[in-house]
Order: sequence, then C-alpha cells, then structure tokens
Amino acid sequence: DSGVTQTPKHLITATGQRVTLRCSPRSGDLSVYWYQQSLDQGLQFLIQYYNGEERAKGNILERFSAQQFPDLHSELNLSSLELGDSALYFCASSVTGGSDSPLHFGNGTRLTVT
Amino acid sequence: GENVEQHPSTLSVQEGDSAVIKCTYSDSASNYFPWYKQELGKGPQLIIDIRSNVGEKKDQRIAVTLNKTAKHFSLHITETQPEDSAVYFCAASRGSYIPTFGRGTSLIVHP
Repeated sequence: DSGVTQTPKHLITATGQRVTLRCSPRSGDLSVYWYQQSLDQGLQFLIQYYNGEERAKGNILERFSAQQFPDLHSELNLSSLELGDSALYFCASSVTGGSDSPLHFGNGTRLTVT
Repeated sequence: GENVEQHPSTLSVQEGDSAVIKCTYSDSASNYFPWYKQELGKGPQLIIDIRSNVGEKKDQRIAVTLNKTAKHFSLHITETQPEDSAVYFCAASRGSYIPTFGRGTSLIVHP
C-alpha cells in the first residue's frame, strides 16, 4: 500500500459531462502529481502541485484543471468530456517534489466516457 | 527536454530465467533514475532507484546498472517468478524537472 488514496476507483459518464477526481497524498508528502494513462500508452504527466501551489504543467488540456487544498489533498476536474478522455488517471505524491524524491502512486481512477 | 527510450516493449521469459530491460536518456544532466513496477489494476510502485554517483545497485533479485557515458541504464531481474509479471517503467530526472518516463515493458514470466 503506497499510502496514496484515490477516489472514485471507477467512473462512467457521458460525453459533455464534468467529473472530479480526488487524491489524498501519503502522510507527510507535500507534492502531488497527476498522470493520465491511456490504453497501450505510457504515463503522461498532466500537472504538479507543491504545498498548494502549481509547480509544473505538462500536457494538460484546457478542459482540465486541478488544485491542491490546504490539507494537501488534490482534485482533478475534467470538463466537456470526450470519448478520448477515457483513461486511467493516477495521482502520485512525493515528499519534496524534487527530482530525486520518489513518486508514490495511488491505484488510479478508471474513467470511461460513453 | 528529456527523452527516455525503453526496450523491449514486451519481454517473455520462462520462470527461473533472467530478464533485462534497457532505457536510454537524452539529457546528460539527469541524475536520478527510478524503476517502477505496475501490476494489473494497480498504480506503479517504486522497486529500485539509482543516482548518478553510483554505477550499480542491487536489492535481492533485482539490480540496476547505470552507464553515464553512454546515457543508458538497465533493470536486471534474476531467477524470475510468475509474480514478477507486470509492466515495468523506467524514468529519468534532474533538478526540479518532472521525471520523464519510458513507455513501459510488459514482462511475462511463464511457469
């Protein structure tokens, strides 16, 4: 168990809808990362937060947004959903957010857009 | 930015054989190289990592080697077992930059 909790585990929704994915980082970790994993695809970095502030942004669509709250949990909001947004979404956390700080991944939220 | 190539994409071995997965990276300033194992239905989990000041690191049946000159690093698994079957990801990073992951290797260990 990595200590990172993601909810919900599964989400099925229709095109055009909006969903919110939630992540609670490992105790003591200040940095949260969001990744997207599509079928046969690797891990695509979306966005990173450190202690409530956005630190780095990857290939995140404008329809997607995220935030990290004062209690360090994070939410990823996906809006105007398209079929191509169906994927596994992983949250990871690390102590410092530095390059040599290992990432601890949750078990993901599987999003299916129909 | 950093580019990480990982090979092979699929590796099939018999139980007891060794398995080797190789990664190359492009940024010579990268200094941290973790390996993650992703089992079906779970998130990737760190299994071993190496920093640029070390050439090799072992942990029981797994080892990682790093060649900074050639900019490649490898994961070695000896005496493979069926429970080693999973997708393995390498990554490279430096400074405050986000780790760059390889595309993953699906390891299948046949009993």
